[in-house]
This record gives sequence, C-alpha cells and structure tokens, in this order.
Amino acid sequence: DSGVTQTPKHLITATGQRVTLRCSPRSGDLSVYWYQQSLDQGLQFLIQYYNGEERAKGNILERFSAQQFPDLHSELNLSSLELGDSALYFCASSPRHGGNTGELFFGEGSRLTVL
Amino acid sequence: EDQVTQSPEALRLQEGESSSLNCSYTVSGLRGLFWYRQDPGKGPEFLFTLYSAGEEKEKERLKATLTKKESFLHITAPKPEDSATYLCAVHAGANSKLTFGKGITLSVRP
Repeated sequence: DSGVTQTPKHLITATGQRVTLRCSPRSGDLSVYWYQQSLDQGLQFLIQYYNGEERAKGNILERFSAQQFPDLHSELNLSSLELGDSALYFCASSPRHGGNTGELFFGEGSRLTVL
Repeated sequence: EDQVTQSPEALRLQEGESSSLNCSYTVSGLRGLFWYRQDPGKGPEFLFTLYSAGEEKEKERLKATLTKKESFLHITAPKPEDSATYLCAVHAGANSKLTFGKGITLSVRP
C-alpha cells in the first residue's frame, strides 16, 4: 500500500459528460502529480501541484482541469468527455516539489471508460 | 523533447533464465533515471534511481545500470513473482515531471 488513495476505482460514463477524480496523497506529502495511462501512449504526465499551487503542466487538454485543496487532496476534472479519454488516471505524491528524487508514490488509479 | 524507449516490448523467460531489459533515452540535462515496477491493476512502484553514468543499484534479483545513452535492468535467475511491467522514466532539465517509457512486460514461467 503506497498510502495514496484514489477514488473512484472504476467509472463508466457517456461522451459529453463530466467527471471528477479524487486523490488523497500520502500523509505529509506536499506534491501531487496526475498521469494518464493508455495502452498506446503509456504513462503521460498531466499536471503537478505543490502545496496548493500549480507547479508544472504536461500534455493536459483544455477540457481537463485540476486543483489541490488546503488539506492537500487533489481533484482532476474531465469535461466534454470523448471516447479517447478512456484510460487509467493515476495520482502520485512526493514530499518534494521537484521530481529530482524520482520516487513517486502512486495510487491504484481510476479506470475511466467513456461509452 | 525528452524521449524514452524501452525494449523489447514483451519478454517471456523460463524461471531461472537471466536476461536484461533495455531503456534508451534522449534528454537534455539528465538529472536522474528511474525504474518502476507495475503489476496488473496497480500503480507503478518505485524500484531504483540512477544519477550518473557508471552507477549501479541492486535489489534482490534486480540490478540497474546506467550509461550516457541507456540503462539496463538485469534480472538474475528470475522467479514467477517477478512477472510484471517494468517502466523506465527520466527526469531532465528544469522540469519536475518524469517522462516514462511505454514499459516492458515480463512474464516468467515456472
């Protein structure tokens, strides 16, 4: 158990809908990262927050947004969903704002299926 | 743009048959290379960090090595429980993100 909690584990929805994925980092970790994993693309970095502030942005679509709250949990909002958004969404946490340790603690992911 | 290529995509070994997994990278200013293990339905689990060419790290049957262009994950006398997908990632430049390869799916037959 990594200590990172993600909900929901599975989510099935329709095209055009909006969903929210939630992540609770390990106790004491200030950084939260969101990654998308699909069969053809592998793990793709979406966005990072550190202590409530956005620190880095990757290949995140404009239809997607995220935030980190004062209690350090984070939410990833996906809107106007398309079939291609079906994927595993992982949250990871680390105690630092930089990725130089590379030791990220990943949750078990939220599997999103868009029909 | 940072690029990470892992090969082969899949590898099937007999229990006890040692082998190596390759991770080639093209980055500007490598700050670290990382290996993760991912089991089906789970999130990646951190294995090793390598910072400079010539560095080696070991853990049980796994040994990771690093050169200026690639890293190898050597698996000695693997067991069925070593079956998993092994991911390589790099951290480069001023970014805080990790760039992952697509992974190598290892299957070890008893």
